[in-house]
Amino acid sequence: QKEVEQNSGPLSVPEGAIASLNCTYSDRGSQSFFWYRQYSGKSPELIMSIYSNGDKEDGRFTAQLNKASQYVSLLIRDSQPSDSATYLCAVPSGGGSNYKLTFGKGTLLTVNP
Amino acid sequence: GAGVSQSPSNKVTEKGKDVELRCDPISGHTALYWYRQSLGQGLEFLIYFQGNSAPDKSGLPSDRFSAERTGGSVSTLTIQRTQQEDSAVYLCASHSGFETQYFGPGTRLLVL
Repeated sequence: QKEVEQNSGPLSVPEGAIASLNCTYSDRGSQSFFWYRQYSGKSPELIMSIYSNGDKEDGRFTAQLNKASQYVSLLIRDSQPSDSATYLCAVPSGGGSNYKLTFGKGTLLTVNP
Repeated sequence: GAGVSQSPSNKVTEKGKDVELRCDPISGHTALYWYRQSLGQGLEFLIYFQGNSAPDKSGLPSDRFSAERTGGSVSTLTIQRTQQEDSAVYLCASHSGFETQYFGPGTRLLVL
């Protein structure tokens, strides 16, 4: 059973701070990693994907991957109240063209004005 | 362009009744997934369709659940003899052969 674990939170940060979200995965063969953002009552929205060890930056978001430690994280710089949402870590587990996702339980982030 | 659409957006049913949930993927997307999101279990994979290939049904929780995809486009998820534990948000997602999945708005199912 492939597993994806996230620190359950909730995580509360002040506006302007850095929010750090963490995820570990059990399948050492995993090659792709995704971060989804889900606002309350809405469907998940992809915000970052990462495939190689190291950092990937997109605006205020940075994804970090360490395959040796089976660890992927998401940093949100200059956090805004609009970043308040649940962040889901997801790893494809199907193989071939089957990208069925195994999700972590999510971390609820609250950014306080 | 149009995203993934799902209907109905909300469904309330009585225990023991059958329900059908519909998903219309993004035009041209060959891959379609159904997921379920419940408070206790998080977001779980149910079933995957890719073109004319046999679907991956490995996530279906019981034989009361079935799904079909006609003409490689619209998909219907059917739950027979609904139980209270089936109450959840059912999400559909599609992609075009790349890994990025686009989710629909979901159907919120409540079984009384």
